Amino acid sequence: AQTVTQSQPEMSVQEAETVTLSCTYDTSESDYYLFWYKQPPSRQMILVIRQEAYKQQNATENRFSVNFQKAAKSFSLKISDSQLGDAAMYFCAYRPNTGNQFYFGTGTSLTVIP
Amino acid sequence: GAGVSQSPSNKVTEKGKDVELRCDPISGHTALYWYRQSLGQGLEFLIYFQGNSAPDKSGLPSDRFSAERTGGSVSTLTIQRTQQEDSAVYLCASSLVAGPYTEAFFGQGTRLTVV
Repeated sequence: AQTVTQSQPEMSVQEAETVTLSCTYDTSESDYYLFWYKQPPSRQMILVIRQEAYKQQNATENRFSVNFQKAAKSFSLKISDSQLGDAAMYFCAYRPNTGNQFYFGTGTSLTVIP
Repeated sequence: GAGVSQSPSNKVTEKGKDVELRCDPISGHTALYWYRQSLGQGLEFLIYFQGNSAPDKSGLPSDRFSAERTGGSVSTLTIQRTQQEDSAVYLCASSLVAGPYTEAFFGQGTRLTVV
């Protein structure tokens, strides 16, 4: 079974500080892709960052970076210099190289404290 | 269009009624997905359309659920004889091409409440 687990239902961070959101996944596939999506109160999911499993180098997008540990099947998201606009639900997603669907975790609600 | 458009934004219906949810994908996007997001749950895959290929319906939870995509563009998700457990946010997404690395662009969803 292909599952994605986000063990932190809620997280909080002080503005300008750094926070890490955890994600683990279970798969027997060797080739796949991983994503972090942000869902603000508007409900519209927005892609934050993505990672190809065959790449060892961790992806970065400005203040967002990932720590991808393939052997451990772990894909955490680090947000540096947190801003009030970062407050949202964050979903980790996995997509195999074959198949049509994304598999999503249950999400982590991030609060940014001014 | 500029983004994925879903309508209605909110829908309240009585148990047993049929509902239709509409998704207008980004122009030119060949792949279209429907997901269901229940409170406290992740996104549950429902159905996937890719071009003129037969849709992947493996996620539809029962035969009360159906979806179609006309002309490779607009999609309609139909729920017949709605039940209270159907209450959720229904999200539609589209992508330019089929491929695992391809970003999916999501609409704002339809919040369905069955009373």
